[in-house]
Amino acid sequence: DTGVSQDPRHKITKRGQNVTFRCDPISEHNRLYWYRQTLGQGPEFLTYFQNEAQLEKSRLLSDRFSAERPKGSFSTLEIQRTEQGDSAMYLCASSLAEYQPQHFGDGTRLSIL
Amino acid sequence: AQSVTQLGSHVSVSEGALVLLRCNYSSSVPPYLFWYVQYPNQGLQLLLKYTSAATLVKGINGFEAEFKKSETSFHLTKPSAHMSDAAEYFCAVSDGGGSNYKLTFGKGTLLTVNP
Repeated sequence: DTGVSQDPRHKITKRGQNVTFRCDPISEHNRLYWYRQTLGQGPEFLTYFQNEAQLEKSRLLSDRFSAERPKGSFSTLEIQRTEQGDSAMYLCASSLAEYQPQHFGDGTRLSIL
Repeated sequence: AQSVTQLGSHVSVSEGALVLLRCNYSSSVPPYLFWYVQYPNQGLQLLLKYTSAATLVKGINGFEAEFKKSETSFHLTKPSAHMSDAAEYFCAVSDGGGSNYKLTFGKGTLLTVNP
C-alpha cells in the first residue's frame, strides 16, 4: 500500500495561466475524490469518480475546472485561466468501496501570483 | 444536507492533560462520522470512524470518540495529551445514504500541546 500520491506538491503560477494536477490513488481503489482546502477551513468536496465515470460535481467546480480519470486509474484536475481565488490546497482521496474510509494524499498547494 | 460544527477553532492543553475536541453534526439520515488529523503541509489521516456499530469508537494514537444521537455529537477525546498530538483535527460526516459517499468537513480545531 503506497498511499495516494499527488503531483506536484506545490505549484506557483501567474493569474490567467492553466494548471494541471495529477492524483494516483491506491491501486485497488475504484473511488476517487477531489477536495479543495483554503486557509483556516476544512476541505470542501469538488468531484467524485467511480472507476472512470465522474458521478458528481460540486457547484464549486466552475466551468474553468475539469477533471478526468481515464481508464479508471489516475486522475487529473485542470484549472483554466486561473484566478486569485483559486489559491488553495487541492486534495485527492480514494476509497476501496462504498462506505469505506477515504485515504488522502498530501495535496497540491496552488499559489496564484 | 448534512453539516458539521466544531466548537473551538483552537484548543490548548498541557502535556499529559485530557484532550476534548467537540463536534456536532446535522444529518437527515443516520450518519457516518469521521475524525481526521492534519499535520502541517500534509494531507488528512484517518483517526477513527463511526458506522452505526458501537457508539464508542477507538482509533489510532489513543484517541476515541463517542456517538451520541440524542445530542447529535461525536466528540473526540484522549486521556493524556502528547506533544506529538499537536495538529489540526477535522470532524466529517457522510450521510451514508447515497452511493457517492462525499464527506462534509467542519472548519477544524487546532490543538496546541504545551510542555
